[in-house]
Amino acid sequence: AQTVTQSQPEMSVQEAETVTLSCTYDTSESDYYLFWYKQPPSRQMILVIRQEAYKQQNATENRFSVNFQKAAKSFSLKISDSQLGDAAMYFCAYRSRVMWAGTASKLTFGTGTRLQVTL
Amino acid sequence: DSGVTQTPKHLITATGQRVTLRCSPRSGDLSVYWYQQSLDQGLQFLIQYYNGEERAKGNILERFSAQQFPDLHSELNLSSLELGDSALYFCASSVGTTIAGGLETQYFGPGTRLLVL
Repeated sequence: AQTVTQSQPEMSVQEAETVTLSCTYDTSESDYYLFWYKQPPSRQMILVIRQEAYKQQNATENRFSVNFQKAAKSFSLKISDSQLGDAAMYFCAYRSRVMWAGTASKLTFGTGTRLQVTL
Repeated sequence: DSGVTQTPKHLITATGQRVTLRCSPRSGDLSVYWYQQSLDQGLQFLIQYYNGEERAKGNILERFSAQQFPDLHSELNLSSLELGDSALYFCASSVGTTIAGGLETQYFGPGTRLLVL
């Protein structure tokens, strides 16, 4: 079974600064997907960024980027130019590759990192 | 707005009761997933349906059951409720095909907050 570990329960960053959230995972699979979801106080789960394990290039979405180290099974999220609206819980998640339509494809989540953004 | 709708938003009930949570997936999505978010267990996968058929089960209690109807909406039934069932229940949906090369995003609804007293 796959596991996802987020070792930082809380992080704090000043507005306009950069912060990196850590995530490690354990799997015996070679092909899979990794995701970062954001959960603001509204509790809505919002996809931030996703990475395909077979792609060496790190994914980037505006101010959000990842550092994907497959051999180390590490998937960190970097938030640049932090904004007050970035304050939220951030969850790292793992999913096996789907080969067939309708295949079992659950997300396995880490325990989350609460990010505070200060002025 | 993810396009996934869940009703009700909040539910307060007593121990021993039964409740039904409803989810409507995004238009065109065939797969529906249910997750439970509680303080002590974090985000846990419960069950997945694809086009009306059960595809995967997580740590779902026997007191819980779900189904996906022909119009693709899904219901999660929770019975003989206990205090520990108090949680936020999320529904998510995805296309359910491999058109995207397997990289399918699960889009989450706003959740139903269940409080068992």
